[in-house]
Amino acid sequence: GAVVSQHPSRVICKSGTSVKIECRSLDFQATTMFWYRQFPKQSLMLMATSNEGSKATYEQGVEKDKFLINHASLTLSTLTVTSAHPEDSSFYICSATSSGGAPKNIQYFGAGTRLSVL
Amino acid sequence: AQTVTQSQPEMSVQEAETVTLSCTYDTSESDYYLFWYKQPPSRQMILVIRQEAYKQQNATENRFSVNFQKAAKSFSLKISDSQLGDAAMYFCAYRTMNRDDKIIFGKGTRLHILP
Repeated sequence: GAVVSQHPSRVICKSGTSVKIECRSLDFQATTMFWYRQFPKQSLMLMATSNEGSKATYEQGVEKDKFLINHASLTLSTLTVTSAHPEDSSFYICSATSSGGAPKNIQYFGAGTRLSVL
Repeated sequence: AQTVTQSQPEMSVQEAETVTLSCTYDTSESDYYLFWYKQPPSRQMILVIRQEAYKQQNATENRFSVNFQKAAKSFSLKISDSQLGDAAMYFCAYRTMNRDDKIIFGKGTRLHILP
């Protein structure tokens, strides 16, 4: 089946540093990818929709300059948390819909990244 | 705007028994997709079952089945012969027919399986 690889699975960083999270569709093309944030015992909160070759669409209340999204190819989207602070600590999940190579109308999810900012 | 409501924050069921998780939604669209996702302790999101709104027949996947009531905007998940591995958070979700559109998730129901 279609696989979305998310890396790293866990990252610990110091306050003020930037962290990049990668989301790759391994065996299909994905013109659209999504980035979610999940707090403990809560649902997934959509942060932004990443579109290949164009600017991401951010949800209301999500800081564009804080959470930089780049979707430079049909198989890779990256989320960079800039100048991370402890309040950015969370679980980040990406997902992708197939535009070729896998059944469409399904969102395929990465395994998530646990970010801890000290 | 579309919304998804799961009114049961937590549920418990005895192993081998049947349990039903409730979900209601609101939309003005006539065609759309509904999903149930499972999130086990590993936190990997797993698609359990999906239903296209234009299909009258309820979707089934092995021990998982749905009761889709379009007029009532209800989409419940029934798990038969519950197993310990079914313990997880279950999210009901909605999406329009546009595959590049975002999925709207409910708040989730945590399911406990009692041995």
